[in-house]
Amino acid sequence: SQTIHQWPATLVQPVGSPLSLECTVEGTSNPNLYWYRQAAGRGLQLLFYSVGIGQISSEVPQNLSASRPQDRQFILSSKKLLLSDSGFYLCAWSTQSRQPQHFGDGTRLSIL
Amino acid sequence: GQQLNQSPQSMFIQEGEDVSMNCTSSSIFNTWLWYKQDPGEGPVLLIALYKAGELTSNGRLTAQFGITRKDSFLNISASIPSDVGIYFCAGSRAGGSQGNLIFGKGTKLSVKP
Repeated sequence: SQTIHQWPATLVQPVGSPLSLECTVEGTSNPNLYWYRQAAGRGLQLLFYSVGIGQISSEVPQNLSASRPQDRQFILSSKKLLLSDSGFYLCAWSTQSRQPQHFGDGTRLSIL
Repeated sequence: GQQLNQSPQSMFIQEGEDVSMNCTSSSIFNTWLWYKQDPGEGPVLLIALYKAGELTSNGRLTAQFGITRKDSFLNISASIPSDVGIYFCAGSRAGGSQGNLIFGKGTKLSVKP
């Protein structure tokens, strides 16, 4: 069966520091991969999605970037974090268009 | 950007009561999904709908894909305390890119024992 892993589960970072969040999927090949951010008590905002290695689409202009160095690995990065980058970051995967997305357990990011 | 209108925003009910929530859009959708999110965790898929008029159950949960393809509802029968959480609808628009989902803002469900 397929599984998705995100780490770390929680992270506290100072303003201006770099960021790297990892997401890996097991049990499937060539998945679509997604990064979302969820502000407290709010809905999910799509940040990036990827349909293949090295293919990244950005949904909103921001201080973050994403990379897909391997088929089942998706990384969310920043060179310099802002206070506004705080939130709950979720990675998700799906097999293809129109199929449900399945989420990881998320990373709670707090910027001080 | 495109929005899904999900209502109600929150519900406070007594254990054993039935629950109903819905999502509407001004655009046509070709997939409707319902998720539940517990605090500090990622959303978990409850029900997926792919055809207009489709009615699907998952235990005490029932969801329907509206005939107009612009709405969907989720019903929970005989609620129990573990039903507490935030329920999200999500849809994939006809012609949307790469199956990207649009999410509602969620319905927060509280169940009083």
